[in-house]
Amino acid sequence: KQEVTQIPAALSVPEGENLVLNCSFTDSAIYNLQWFRQDPGKGLTSLLLIQSSQREQTSGRLNASLDKSSGRSTLYIAASQPGDSATYLCAVSTAGNMLTFGGGTRLMVKP
Amino acid sequence: DAGVTQSPTHLIKTRGQQVTLRCSPKSGHDTVSWYQQALGQGPQFIFQYYEEEERQRGNFPDRFSGHQFPNYSSELNVNALLLGDSALYLCASSLRDRNYEQYFGPGTRLTVT
Repeated sequence: KQEVTQIPAALSVPEGENLVLNCSFTDSAIYNLQWFRQDPGKGLTSLLLIQSSQREQTSGRLNASLDKSSGRSTLYIAASQPGDSATYLCAVSTAGNMLTFGGGTRLMVKP
Repeated sequence: DAGVTQSPTHLIKTRGQQVTLRCSPKSGHDTVSWYQQALGQGPQFIFQYYEEEERQRGNFPDRFSGHQFPNYSSELNVNALLLGDSALYLCASSLRDRNYEQYFGPGTRLTVT
């Protein structure tokens, strides 16, 4: 059974800092990995999708890496802003394209 | 182009009651997945519908059932509600051949008292 873990569970940083969120998964037989953002009480917005054959994806200040063999992914956020405050969720896609999510990292960026 | 829509936004029910949640997929999408997100946790997969049939199911009891209509919209039904069913219920839609690219709706917040 696939299990996804995210560390840390919560993070508070001052504005401008670069930060790294971590995600690990137990079964390396994944099709892809996605990072989502969720604002309080809202739905999910996809940030980055990395196919299993890829090593990383970049979008603006965000960079996500994938090491499938070790079951790890990181989301790097450069020059953090208060508007980045949200919960970040990692999800892996396995057989049938069911998404298995981690518990999320709650990020607070202080002005 | 409308994204995924869900109704109602919020719902309060009593233990033992039944509830129906609704989802309209993004235009052009034919597959609908449902997820349950308890407070402070990540979403958990309930089931997925394609061509009006349940194609895949997560670890949820039979009290959770669903339906997909010919226009691809979907319903999630929960019978004999328990306090533990209180959660945000998320619907996601996708194209069958790009099923990994799921677009999520805003969710329905269900509170069971």
